[in-house]
Amino acid sequence: LAKTTQPISMDSYEGQEVNITCSHNNIATNDYITWYQQFPSQGPRFIIQGYKTKVTNEVASLFIPADRKSSTLSLPRVSLSDTAVYYCLVAFYNQGGKLIFGQGTELSVKP
Amino acid sequence: DAGVIQSPRHEVTEMGQEVTLRCKPISGHDYLFWYRQTMMRGLELLIYFNNNVPIDDSGMPEDRFSAKMPNASFSTLKIQPSEPRDSAVYFCASSASGTGEVIPEAFFGQGTRLTVV
Repeated sequence: LAKTTQPISMDSYEGQEVNITCSHNNIATNDYITWYQQFPSQGPRFIIQGYKTKVTNEVASLFIPADRKSSTLSLPRVSLSDTAVYYCLVAFYNQGGKLIFGQGTELSVKP
Repeated sequence: DAGVIQSPRHEVTEMGQEVTLRCKPISGHDYLFWYRQTMMRGLELLIYFNNNVPIDDSGMPEDRFSAKMPNASFSTLKIQPSEPRDSAVYFCASSASGTGEVIPEAFFGQGTRLTVV
């Protein structure tokens, strides 16, 4: 599985847009990119996934350039409740959701 | 569905004792995963099952750890004997093999916080 690299921590203020970039230089053709969110004392929760270009749902957007060696999770107008750890993962669809977590990015949203 | 259910939520035990963690996956899911989370090592995949069969247990730290899935609705992770370094939060997750080329969403339980003293 491709290794991912993302910033250890980020700070933001309420109402701002937050972009977390993840590097996955060794991504394979069959790998998909998925992001999870984890609040303290809870298990991780799925946010979004994509293969290429842009994906948007009610929570976030995911931007993937043509070479797929990186991806950017965009959280519009964050609130205090978005304070969490965000994990970028690459996974092969044929493994039932087998996820190998890296260190994640600890996002702190301040008032 | 109530989601993935883990029990107990908290467990405190003495070194050397046997510990059994339990997980009930979401009905209809055919994949089950056990993870361990610590500050030092983050989230580690210990083992995962497909249709009750262990597929990859390479993440199990040592022979003191064992996991079983006797049926589609129940799995256990056992530590015998337990050691203080086993103290961590243990998560169970389940997913349904999807159709098409997407990564199935993994649903995590609330975790079991294990403290070995």
